Amino acid sequence: GENVEQHPSTLSVQEGDSAVIKCTYSDSASNYFPWYKQELGKRPQLIIDIRSNVGEKKDQRIAVTLNKTAKHFSLHITETQPEDSAVYFCAASGSNDMRFGAGTRLTVKP
Amino acid sequence: GAVVSQHPSWVICKSGTSVKIECRSLDFQATTMFWYRQFPKQSLMLMATSNEGSKATYEQGVEKDKFLINHASLTLSTLTVTSAHPEDSSFYICSAPRGGGTEAFFGQGTRLTVV
Repeated sequence: GENVEQHPSTLSVQEGDSAVIKCTYSDSASNYFPWYKQELGKRPQLIIDIRSNVGEKKDQRIAVTLNKTAKHFSLHITETQPEDSAVYFCAASGSNDMRFGAGTRLTVKP
Repeated sequence: GAVVSQHPSWVICKSGTSVKIECRSLDFQATTMFWYRQFPKQSLMLMATSNEGSKATYEQGVEKDKFLINHASLTLSTLTVTSAHPEDSSFYICSAPRGGGTEAFFGQGTRLTVV
């Protein structure tokens, strides 16, 4: 089955700096790669996603890149703000599953 | 976005009893429902995938006789934790994609505490 690895597990940045979180996946059949933000005790919220036929997608301060050949995808957050502090999960989805990385706890220091 | 409603949001039960968790898709037909368990400060671990009208597919290490999943309709999937024990205490959460390889919408989650 699919195996998703995510790094780093924790990330601390200064407000205004950029943050990058990286994931790899194992199943070449996976074709959908969402990123979720989860605050303590709450449900994950989708922040951006990318499909396998696209290499890059941007939404304001958030961007995601996908290297399908290398099975890598990354989340980039620019101009970080304290409210970006949360746990971020990447996921890889095929036709009938969605598996998550281990998560990255992002802390943005004011 | 689409809505998945999960109940209860929290439950405390005695060891040995069973607990049923419901997830309903309110504005779309959920052919597939993913069930996850999340321990504190850990990731969402896929327990099983249920498809409407067929048996659920369980992940390795998940006891299908302990975690009963029913997906009898396109809008309702249930997870029953049978003979619950303290080690089953966790955050259980469902999610349903609107189609294969698309955004999955999460329920609110259920915090189960077994005493």
